Amino acid sequence: GQQLNQSPQSMFIQEGEDVSMNCTSSSIFNTWLWYKQEPGEGPVLLIALYKAGELTSNGRLTAQFGITRKDSFLNISASIPSDVGIYFCAGQLIQGAQKLVFGQGTRLTINP
Amino acid sequence: KAGVTQTPRYLIKTRGQQVTLSCSPISGHRSVSWYQQTPGQGLQFLFEYFSETQRNKGNFPGRFSGRQFSNSRSEMNVSTLELGDSALYLCASSSGQLNTEAFFGQGTRLTVV
Repeated sequence: GQQLNQSPQSMFIQEGEDVSMNCTSSSIFNTWLWYKQEPGEGPVLLIALYKAGELTSNGRLTAQFGITRKDSFLNISASIPSDVGIYFCAGQLIQGAQKLVFGQGTRLTINP
Repeated sequence: KAGVTQTPRYLIKTRGQQVTLSCSPISGHRSVSWYQQTPGQGLQFLFEYFSETQRNKGNFPGRFSGRQFSNSRSEMNVSTLELGDSALYLCASSSGQLNTEAFFGQGTRLTVV
């Protein structure tokens, strides 16, 4: 099925470093969402983006909805151990319809 | 405000059996969507229910079905289980209106042996 191209697939960083990950697609999306998933849990919503060019922050997290509506990025500043997990981007094609297309995920590992 | 509740958390079934999973959305939310998560395929959309009607459907065989009740609670059913159906099944809740976020439950881990 349709999928977003998310990169990188994994990251190994030192505590305190900044992190950047992105998603691209050949399709235009109306909404971009970023989730974090920890082992044994469901994805937790981090940031939602609704307009092309929109830049939104949530604490140390910042995400942007690309101008072309075909891409989005997520930045994490000054990483801490609890940031460990798998981050997913998700695009919503149809406004109001909860049919999300997910990226493959970025696994973040932090060395203290 | 209670989150999305999925039951059971874990299930072990035998090939050929059928299974029913349950999801209670956030109070006031009318949309429930279901996803299958596997290591190989990632998160794949199964279907979405809104006001007791299936509004969207993914590319899964007819063995996968669902329904939604008047209180917005939803169930999904998988018949004639196959080994490949082993996965984490996630339910997401949203208000169902324009530009709304989807909130996930903890999932049901299904193992088919």
